[in-house]
Amino acid sequence: AQKITQTQPGMFVQEKEAVTLDCTYDTSDPSYGLFWYKQPSSGEMIFLIYQGSYDQQNATEGRYSLNFQKARKSANLVISASQLGDSAMYFCAMRESGNTPLVFGKGTRLSVIA
Amino acid sequence: GAVVSQHPSRVICKSGTSVKIECRSLDFQATTMFWYRQFPKQSLMLMATSNEGSKATYEQGVEKDKFLINHASLTLSTLTVTSAHPEDSSFYICSASRDLISSFGQGTRLTVV
Repeated sequence: AQKITQTQPGMFVQEKEAVTLDCTYDTSDPSYGLFWYKQPSSGEMIFLIYQGSYDQQNATEGRYSLNFQKARKSANLVISASQLGDSAMYFCAMRESGNTPLVFGKGTRLSVIA
Repeated sequence: GAVVSQHPSRVICKSGTSVKIECRSLDFQATTMFWYRQFPKQSLMLMATSNEGSKATYEQGVEKDKFLINHASLTLSTLTVTSAHPEDSSFYICSASRDLISSFGQGTRLTVV
């Protein structure tokens, strides 16, 4: 069963606007972490933001915020004030408890338009 | 945060030859590292879990004799693609975790001709 679902293969956003990238997840482990990574065309995986399952508040990192809705099992990424350099693939990922690997969604390609 | 270094970043090899990819944790000791493969326009798929001092654990469908993983020290894991074929051409990337955050190497783009 797919554990991470990203339903938006591609998204367009106007420069300086905000955009939300969707992510839902599925796990029976009460302890887990949710991650968002940015992958530009160079291939490197750039860590953006982390949300722990027990965190009471939504995570924020600069222009990135994570809209964590635990009951709905969603962890959407919000990018505010989009910049041209934000154009890239974005992956949502989850890691369950213990030293376990990340499981990735299929990704969303974000294109920022001037 | 944790720093992971991977090299080479890009390699072209002839069919039938072997290629070794190195993954180093620079500022921490990683008892476990993960190797992923990413085909064009697809997501990262876990290949294997590399455990320091013991055998790697491979995901279903990944040939352990073809993708040799060695984790001889707490800071170095290597992936060797043996007898490479064009279908092995892909982007290979390693990851290690420190505390809660997973850090990735820069990735290796392998082209087998």
